[in-house]
Amino acid sequence: AQSVTQLGSHVSVSEGALVLLRCNYSSSVPPYLFWYVQYPNQGLQLLLKYTTGATLVKGINGFEAEFKKSETSFHLTKPSAHMSDAAEYFCAVIRDGGSQGNLIFGKGTKLSVKP
Amino acid sequence: KAGVTQTPRYLIKTRGQQVTLSCSPISGHRSVSWYQQTPGQGLQFLFEYFSETQRNKGNFPGRFSGRQFSNSRSEMNVSTLELGDSALYLCASSFTAGGSDTQYFGPGTRLTVL
Repeated sequence: AQSVTQLGSHVSVSEGALVLLRCNYSSSVPPYLFWYVQYPNQGLQLLLKYTTGATLVKGINGFEAEFKKSETSFHLTKPSAHMSDAAEYFCAVIRDGGSQGNLIFGKGTKLSVKP
Repeated sequence: KAGVTQTPRYLIKTRGQQVTLSCSPISGHRSVSWYQQTPGQGLQFLFEYFSETQRNKGNFPGRFSGRQFSNSRSEMNVSTLELGDSALYLCASSFTAGGSDTQYFGPGTRLTVL
């Protein structure tokens, strides 16, 4: 069965430090992969997505992710953390045979940024 | 362009009651999906609608139902509420249901069942 695993339910970094949030997926077909961010009491906002083509995907707010098929990974990075990056981040994959509206999400990683 | 709106934002019900939640997609979007978010189970897919037709349904009991209207607005209904139905219900819309299309999420409806 398809799944998305996010390593680390909580990650804490200092302001200005590298942000690395890990995501591994399982899929029987070439996956469409997504990273979303959720701020408190808000819905989800798309950070970036991988569909086809270039495996290094750039998103909003300075985030990027690299699709590595051999490692079944789609880790999210940002070179320098900002206080405003504190939020919960979700990795997702489209369910096999499904469409955009049928996503399987990871359990989420809460990012804390220390001053 | 206005974003996805969900009403009401907060709702308190008691066990056994039923509830209807509403979602208005971004103008021109024809695909609407619903998700349930809880601390224990995370984000789980409920339904997906496109042009008034249910395309997919998640693994939820029959107490959970939904529909989409001709103007793409969608409603979901939960009957005979249980304590475990307490959750944030999120709606998302996209122009099509294509895999490369971007989904936009609303702020959610926070349902508390007492």
